[in-house]
Amino acid sequence: AQTVTQSQPEMSVQEAETVTLSCTYDTSESDYYLFWYKQPPSRQMILVIRQEAYKQQNATENRFSVNFQKAAKSFSLKISDSQLGDAAMYFCAYSEAGANNLFFGTGTRLTVIP
Amino acid sequence: EPEVTQTPSHQVTQMGQEVILRCVPISNHLYFYWYRQILGQKVEFLVSFYNNEISEKSEIFDDQFSVERPDGSNFTLKIRSTKLEDSAMYFCASRMTETETQYFGPGTRLLVL
Repeated sequence: AQTVTQSQPEMSVQEAETVTLSCTYDTSESDYYLFWYKQPPSRQMILVIRQEAYKQQNATENRFSVNFQKAAKSFSLKISDSQLGDAAMYFCAYSEAGANNLFFGTGTRLTVIP
Repeated sequence: EPEVTQTPSHQVTQMGQEVILRCVPISNHLYFYWYRQILGQKVEFLVSFYNNEISEKSEIFDDQFSVERPDGSNFTLKIRSTKLEDSAMYFCASRMTETETQYFGPGTRLLVL
């Protein structure tokens, strides 16, 4: 069964600094997708970044980038130049290619310190 | 930018009552989903819907739950007889194809008393 593990329940970062959130997953599939979703206090789930397993290049979206290590089944999120608006719960999620459902981790609550 | 919308944002109901949660997916999307998040827990998959039928459902999605696409725009989740443990945030999501990203709505917070 696919599982997604986020080992950091809480993280904090100083404004303008960089923080890395960890995620590992377990799967026997070779073709899949990985995601980071952000859930601010409003509780809406917002897509931050997506990575296709077949792509070797790490995905990047402005200040957000991932370190995708397929052999290690690791998918960490780096937030550069942290802003107060980055404070939220961050969920790592996995989806098998062609499958319907997303498997979510338990989340990491990120606090940004002014 | 198009987005998934959900109504109501909050609903309080008595145990045993029926509730219908509504979602309007992004207009050209073909795949629809419901997830739930019990307070303090991870987001869990409930059901997926494509071509006017359920394509996959989880163990949580028992006979008390049903989904429907009554017209070309709405996608509903019905809970026939609510239990206390149905209290959760319910998220609707949609995507255009099987390989595209799922986009989530803002959620409906359901409280069963």
